[in-house]
Amino acid sequence: DVKVTQSSRYLVKRTGEKVFLECVQDMDHENMFWYRQDPGLGLRLIYFSYDVKMKEKGDIPEGYSVSREKKERFSLILESASTNQTSMYLCASRIDGRYQPQHFGDGTRLSIL
Amino acid sequence: RKEVEQDPGPFNVPEGATVAFNCTYSNSASQSFFWYRQDCRKEPKLLMSVYSSGNEDGRFTAQLNRASQYISLLIRDSKLSDSATYLCVVNDVDAGNMLTFGGGTRLMVKP
Repeated sequence: DVKVTQSSRYLVKRTGEKVFLECVQDMDHENMFWYRQDPGLGLRLIYFSYDVKMKEKGDIPEGYSVSREKKERFSLILESASTNQTSMYLCASRIDGRYQPQHFGDGTRLSIL
Repeated sequence: RKEVEQDPGPFNVPEGATVAFNCTYSNSASQSFFWYRQDCRKEPKLLMSVYSSGNEDGRFTAQLNRASQYISLLIRDSKLSDSATYLCVVNDVDAGNMLTFGGGTRLMVKP
């Protein structure tokens, strides 16, 4: 089974802090993704990566950056956390290929006070 | 990116009922389709892939209608544990085969 592991299930941070969310997958997947999910808004793509050191903006990249130094690890960074970034953050990975599904981590519920 | 549309529900059904959800997609060139299940405050989990001929997994049946550009999920003999949100997912061939997620249909199975 594919295992996608997010570093924290729950996280509380303060406004203005720099926040790191870590995600690791163990199946050598090329593609990795970060989403946020808010009530009534569904899944929204923040950033994704097709390969090591590659990154692409998703639909809502403002206020976020990412890092992919190793194939198995994709980090999401909130440069200066704000209260409107309180959300559920979901990492996913996927084998490259049109018929492949995505596999999600457990999610990180982040609260910015 | 193109749209994937779902009725948000909720669909309230009694245990044992049969319930069906539809999902429409706008890009006729899409080639892969999936249903995911998401429980409250949990991550989405792959329920089943949808193949062109339709496929069945126990009480769950998925079908694809390319002409009308929709996929469906049928759940027979609903269980309380089927209560969840069901997400329809379609690949977007115009965006490097990224997966586009619908907003989800909420199902509540009542005793």
